[in-house]
Amino acid sequence: GAVVSQHPSWVICKSGTSVKIECRSLDFQATTMFWYRQFPKQSLMLMATSNEGSKATYEQGVEKDKFLINHASLTLSTLTVTSAHPEDSSFYICSARDLGGAGSTEAFFGQGTRLTVV
Amino acid sequence: AQSVTQPDIHITVSEGASLELRCNYSYGATPYLFWYVQSPGQGLQLLLKYFSGDTLVQGIKGFEAEFKRSQSSFNLRKPSVHWSDAAEYFCAVGARYGNKLVFGAGTILRVKS
Repeated sequence: GAVVSQHPSWVICKSGTSVKIECRSLDFQATTMFWYRQFPKQSLMLMATSNEGSKATYEQGVEKDKFLINHASLTLSTLTVTSAHPEDSSFYICSARDLGGAGSTEAFFGQGTRLTVV
Repeated sequence: AQSVTQPDIHITVSEGASLELRCNYSYGATPYLFWYVQSPGQGLQLLLKYFSGDTLVQGIKGFEAEFKRSQSSFNLRKPSVHWSDAAEYFCAVGARYGNKLVFGAGTILRVKS
């Protein structure tokens, strides 16, 4: 199956700093990528839909100025957590849909990024 | 509102025993249903999906799931569990092709020998 790579797998940062998380589709092109967040012992929640070459679409309640999303190419989307605070500590995971060919019926997930803000 | 309920946070089964993980959903349109598995430090791997047609869906690793519209359920089953099946399992509902998924809270499966 298609591979989505997320980097870094885990990161610890100081409160007030910014952290960038990358999501790459390694062997396919993805016009659309999705960013999810998972709090401990809770569901994954969709944060935003990232569209190549245009602005991301954020879900209700997600601060677009805090969670900056850039989707500059068909294989890379980035999520930047700006001025991170301890409450931003979470597991962030991206997914990308393979547009290639007929019958592409699933979105592939990265391995996730564990962010800890201290 | 769209939601997915996985009532069991943890399940422990003996190796070789059968398994059923429960999933109930609430979705305003035609549901596209998915089961994913996540091992520690790994991404989500798709086990199976249901879009339409036969309500009994076969997936990878010997898993199957049955869609029951009347019960709004999509339970995951496996007739004989292996130790390597220990992981966290997520049920999800969403738009076609896995876009904009709504996930359940997950069920952690432990397998005892």
